Amino acid sequence: DIQMTQSPSTLSASVGDRVTITCRASQSISSWLAWYQQKPGKAPKLLIYKASSLESGVPSRFSGSGSGTDFTLTISSLQPDDFATYHCQQYSSYSRFGQGTKVEIK
Amino acid sequence: EVQLVQSGAEVKKPGESLKISCKGSGYSFSSYWIGWVRQMPGKGLEWMGIIYPGDSDTRDSPSFQGQVTISADKSISTVYLQWSSLKASDTAMYYCARLRTWGGLLTTFGGGPRDAFDIWGQGTMVTVSS
Repeated sequence: DIQMTQSPSTLSASVGDRVTITCRASQSISSWLAWYQQKPGKAPKLLIYKASSLESGVPSRFSGSGSGTDFTLTISSLQPDDFATYHCQQYSSYSRFGQGTKVEIK
Repeated sequence: EVQLVQSGAEVKKPGESLKISCKGSGYSFSSYWIGWVRQMPGKGLEWMGIIYPGDSDTRDSPSFQGQVTISADKSISTVYLQWSSLKASDTAMYYCARLRTWGGLLTTFGGGPRDAFDIWGQGTMVTVSS
């Protein structure tokens, strides 16, 4: 059973900041990792798949990197629309999400 | 437009049964895997299982096996999530979501194909309370 650990749980940042969220898998998942954005009362939205591939229509300020067990989601310049909760998901063996990272206004 | 539309909110009592639905449109419904994801109030996302409507091949999360039943009726482009006896701890928002790759291009492993969810339903809130 592959566990996913996201950090931090909460992140306070300002518009224009560079933001990095980390996701660690309990064993290697190659590049089978996705990142989602979720706003209150809404369904998640796919941002990144296969660790670093940007989903169509997602702004280029979002990027993903990593392989094996350690992964990062980076927002190069935080915009007002980016304040939300971010979830990582492994889909190497069955699937499991991380516990989420809330990005809030500083 | 590609979309998944879920059935409306439900309020049930413990011990009751329930079946919620997810209807796809705007794409070849039978050819894309659809999964169910639970989100308990104020909590993270939990992957429950996945089904291929074309042949009803189903892969359940070990965490949810025996607790729910996932099924599909491709003739009406609909996937279902069903409980036979609800508990208060089943209170949550339930989302259906589609894998982003056409099923014919995916290799299926024990836990289902390796792919992310690109299209999500709006969610169905299930409240179980006496």
